Amino acid sequence: EIVLTQSPGTLSLSPGERATLSCRASQSVSISHLAWYQQKPGQAPRLLIYDASSRATGIPDRFSGSGSGTDFTLIISRLEPEDFAVYYCQQYDNSVWTFGQGTKVEIK
Amino acid sequence: EVQLVQSGAEVKKPGQSLKISCKGSGYSFTNYWIAWVRQMPGKGLEWMGIIYPGDSETRYSPSFQGQVTISADKSISTAYLQWSSLKASDTAMYYCARKPDSRSYSDYWGQGALVTVSS
Repeated sequence: EIVLTQSPGTLSLSPGERATLSCRASQSVSISHLAWYQQKPGQAPRLLIYDASSRATGIPDRFSGSGSGTDFTLIISRLEPEDFAVYYCQQYDNSVWTFGQGTKVEIK
Repeated sequence: EVQLVQSGAEVKKPGQSLKISCKGSGYSFTNYWIAWVRQMPGKGLEWMGIIYPGDSETRYSPSFQGQVTISADKSISTAYLQWSSLKASDTAMYYCARKPDSRSYSDYWGQGALVTVSS
């Protein structure tokens, strides 16, 4: 089973700053099998990025995804107040999904 | 409009059985997978398993195989997650989520169903 490790665990930033979130896989992941989700308190997760770099419908262009192989990155170019949340990466391999443990982006 | 509407919160005692539901609307229910995801209090997301309502093909995470049963009734566009004997450690929020066939992500999620197991 592929294990996803996200870093950092918590990112303390101010609105307007750039956020860089990392997701590292224990084995190579196909770029078509890597997604990112955002979850706010009391809400269901929301799809942000699929296929490693494609934005989901309605997602602002300040969110971008990149990477390949075992290293993937989610960048929020300029944090808006509504972006403070927990972010999860997710991979799909051999009919099994796994999620990373999450990165919390909090207001500094 | 695509919607996944889950059944309400449940409070159960250890050893009891439970079946929660997820009703899809606004799309062809039989042409998309439905996944179930657990989130224990204050913790991250865990994939439990997935079902294709079109033919009821089901796959389970090794961590949940034998612990839960996933099913679907395509005639009423509803997927289910059930337990035969709940444990306190099953206390969690459970989400259903739609997965397009041949894709790896979930594009729509239910609102979640909180299951509390306590004596």
